[in-house]
Amino acid sequence: NAGVMQNPRHLVRRRGQEARLRCSPMKGHSHVYWYRQLPEEGLKFMVYLQKENIIDESGMPKERFSAEFPKEGPSILRIQQVVRGDSAAYFCASSPRGLAVNIQYFGAGTRLSVL
Amino acid sequence: GNSVTQMEGPVTLSEEAFLTINCTYTATGYPSLFWYVQYPGEGLQLLLKATKADDKGSNKGFEATYRKETTSFHLEKGSVQVSDSAVYFCALYPNTGNQFYFGTGTSLTVIP
Repeated sequence: NAGVMQNPRHLVRRRGQEARLRCSPMKGHSHVYWYRQLPEEGLKFMVYLQKENIIDESGMPKERFSAEFPKEGPSILRIQQVVRGDSAAYFCASSPRGLAVNIQYFGAGTRLSVL
Repeated sequence: GNSVTQMEGPVTLSEEAFLTINCTYTATGYPSLFWYVQYPGEGLQLLLKATKADDKGSNKGFEATYRKETTSFHLEKGSVQVSDSAVYFCALYPNTGNQFYFGTGTSLTVIP
């Protein structure tokens, strides 16, 4: 049973370009969470999605960031017009349901570098 | 609100030394508490958890006890190995809400 798969593992973009990060949850999981880890910091929650629904986006920056989890295919975190401050590791996690105390399984992350 | 404060690193220990990484939390209600470990270049892996006061989580020789009276969940291991070198994150999951709250991480290096 494959774990949470994220790609690419490393992504380099120039300022102003778009970054698209993909996350395939574990088999049977219908809940996806995105976290951002800035240098020297812990992970910060960004967004929680179920299939075709955004449940909680309280941690998402108001501009340039969007996320989706379509009926088919991976979840996508999209960052438009990237800036140097977007350089971070972006982790995706999945769970079979979104109840409290449930365990989230994390992917290996995508490390975004903005030049 | 919810937050986690953990001991700043980096921590460097000799093999077979005793490890303690302090973690305290602030939460509304009764959260579940976790320790995650991140090896170089990898994602976070669950190390152990505790879901209620006085519970002890344990795994791979690591232990942590949920102390409600001191709002703490300190990580301990009696004898560390080189392979334990990693970044350790303390986290809480509140009984309502959708997200984990992570500490800033503590980097541990174990030298032979």
